[in-house]
Amino acid sequence: DAGVIQSPRHEVTEMGQEVTLRCKPISGHNSLFWYRQTMMRGLELLIYFNNNVPIDDSGMPEDRFSAKMPNASFSTLKIQPSEPRDSAVYFCASSPTDQGEQYFGPGTRLTVT
Amino acid sequence: GEDVEQSLFLSVREGDSSVINCTYTDSSSTYLYWYKQEPGAGLQLLTYIFSNMDMKQDQRLTVLLNKKDKHLSLRIADTQTGDSAIYFCAEIQPGGYQKVTFGIGTKLQVIP
Repeated sequence: DAGVIQSPRHEVTEMGQEVTLRCKPISGHNSLFWYRQTMMRGLELLIYFNNNVPIDDSGMPEDRFSAKMPNASFSTLKIQPSEPRDSAVYFCASSPTDQGEQYFGPGTRLTVT
Repeated sequence: GEDVEQSLFLSVREGDSSVINCTYTDSSSTYLYWYKQEPGAGLQLLTYIFSNMDMKQDQRLTVLLNKKDKHLSLRIADTQTGDSAIYFCAEIQPGGYQKVTFGIGTKLQVIP
């Protein structure tokens, strides 16, 4: 199994531009999570999908952030417009169970200048 | 409330044992986890323990749980340089959905 796949691995963009991060969960996993990791705030849950349905988006910072999961094998996290404070590593994780056993992707390092 | 606390840094010599500590506040937590993050990588599940257990051992890893004090620890025996990483403690609350709360992470530095 290839594990959770994220793309791109690195993204550098200018303030105001739209950024789209992509995630392919492990086949058969019914839960998908988007996290953001920074030195200051650690690991923050942004949104959680179960069976492609958003269950908890209370961690999404503001309306500039949106996430979709059109099918069981693909999810996107979009930031529009991006700001320098969005610079972070964004992780996607998937899980086959309801017991917190999560499998993380390698992350996308986003730099907004 | 939900809060998981860890110390930020631990330094040990190669071959010694490492003990990483964690405290949590939600006494209803059902599962507690240890994840490892190596530089430039995502988190990797190391081990977990059910809340009705006191101890779990897996090769060089020993997890101890003190429910009364809401204290979780991870002991790594014969620590190797490859164990250098950030270790995250995490808990999951019962009911609803699997909301997992992660600690800030403890950076383990192994000195050769």
